[in-house]
Amino acid sequence: VQLVQSGSEVKKPGASVRVSCMASGYNFADWTVNWVRQAPGQGLEWMGWSSPYNDNTKYSQKFQGRVTMTTDTSTNTAHMEVRSLTADDTAIYYCARGDYRDYTGYPMDVWGQGTTVAVSS
Amino acid sequence: QSVLTQPPSVSGAPGQRVTISCTGSSSNIGAGNEVHWYRHLPGTVPTLLIYGNTNRPSGVPERFSASKSGTSASLVITGPLAEDEADYYCQSYDSSLSGSAVFGGGTKLTVL
Repeated sequence: VQLVQSGSEVKKPGASVRVSCMASGYNFADWTVNWVRQAPGQGLEWMGWSSPYNDNTKYSQKFQGRVTMTTDTSTNTAHMEVRSLTADDTAIYYCARGDYRDYTGYPMDVWGQGTTVAVSS
Repeated sequence: QSVLTQPPSVSGAPGQRVTISCTGSSSNIGAGNEVHWYRHLPGTVPTLLIYGNTNRPSGVPERFSASKSGTSASLVITGPLAEDEADYYCQSYDSSLSGSAVFGGGTKLTVL
């Protein structure tokens, strides 16, 4: 069971970034994919999740309107796009497996290796 | 400010008992939502340490235990080893945020 993320990105302020997360070793369609980030010197911050089971998404209020999370069951891949980047979005972005189907409260038990996104002019 | 409150740092010597608290409210831990704990060594991937308030995934040493009571939870490390130096995070879900996941601010464990 593993999640493999796309490579590091360097973006200018105002740009968008798309991070991918490919799952293997389990039935991707049954489990939500969470996105969590860690800015330099800061703690873990939950951004939201997307569910390939029912196509639902839930975003943290902080990122609502600026982030889009999707899943593609044909490639077992989750994607997250963050728009209107600022220097404050410089962080390591992780995907993590979450809830099973319609159930809630599950732990994030499998994590991707992280994708570094640097935002700089 | 994190929805779940943790002390920024704790320390302990091998053979001692170290406790990391995680204080929430009636809308998250106190609402009956389960608490999970993660260990994160900077530069590596966070790993699940405790799930469902008290359960250790296979492979997690018995020196790690956890509990939950009311609006708070605690992670206990009995006899920390040098390799346990890391950041520890609690996580739950908040009903007032439509079931959004919430993390504590993290606690840095130093082994003396």
